[in-house]
Amino acid sequence: GENVEQHPSTLSVQEGDSAVIKCTYSDSASNYFPWYKQELGKRPQLIIDIRSNVGEKKDQRIAVTLNKTAKHFSLHITETQPEDSAVYFCAASNTGSQGNLIFGKGTKLSVKP
Amino acid sequence: DGGITQSPKYLFRKEGQNVTLSCEQNLNHDAMYWYRQDPGQGLRLIYYSQIVNDFQKGDIAEGYSVSREKKESFPLTVTSAQKNPTAFYLCASISPGTGATQYFGPGTRLTVL
Repeated sequence: GENVEQHPSTLSVQEGDSAVIKCTYSDSASNYFPWYKQELGKRPQLIIDIRSNVGEKKDQRIAVTLNKTAKHFSLHITETQPEDSAVYFCAASNTGSQGNLIFGKGTKLSVKP
Repeated sequence: DGGITQSPKYLFRKEGQNVTLSCEQNLNHDAMYWYRQDPGQGLRLIYYSQIVNDFQKGDIAEGYSVSREKKESFPLTVTSAQKNPTAFYLCASISPGTGATQYFGPGTRLTVL
């Protein structure tokens, strides 16, 4: 089955710097890769996703890149702000077989003012 | 996310008691999921249901039970057989036609006294 590894587990940056979180997956059939942000005590919220027919997707300060050959995808946050502090989860699934989302263990991002 | 509700927000249980967590959605989503989240951990799948009157075990189903009698509702029962039930429980739903985008409820925090 699918396995998703996420690194780093914690990340601390200064406000205004960029943050990068990386995930690798094992199942080459996976074709859908969402990223979720979870603030303390709250639900995970989808912030961006990418499908396997696209190499990069951007939404304002957030971007995701996908390398299908290497089976890894990354979340890039530019110009970080204190409100970006949260736990971020990556996930992967094979939508063709209605596969379940497999989540990474999360990255706790702290943005220092 | 506003279309998925969970109740109660906090739940306290004595050892040996069964408790049922509610999950309701008005998004007309077919598939529904239950996850467990422990501190510093990712999301682990307990049970899922792709269609009414059908459900499947996830990775950590032991000590839990579910039902799916209505499309809108997917309650989770935490039985006395679950050895360490204290955790944050998240319900999610998905409409497969949208490419597996999953939306989460606000969660229930269960504490065993």
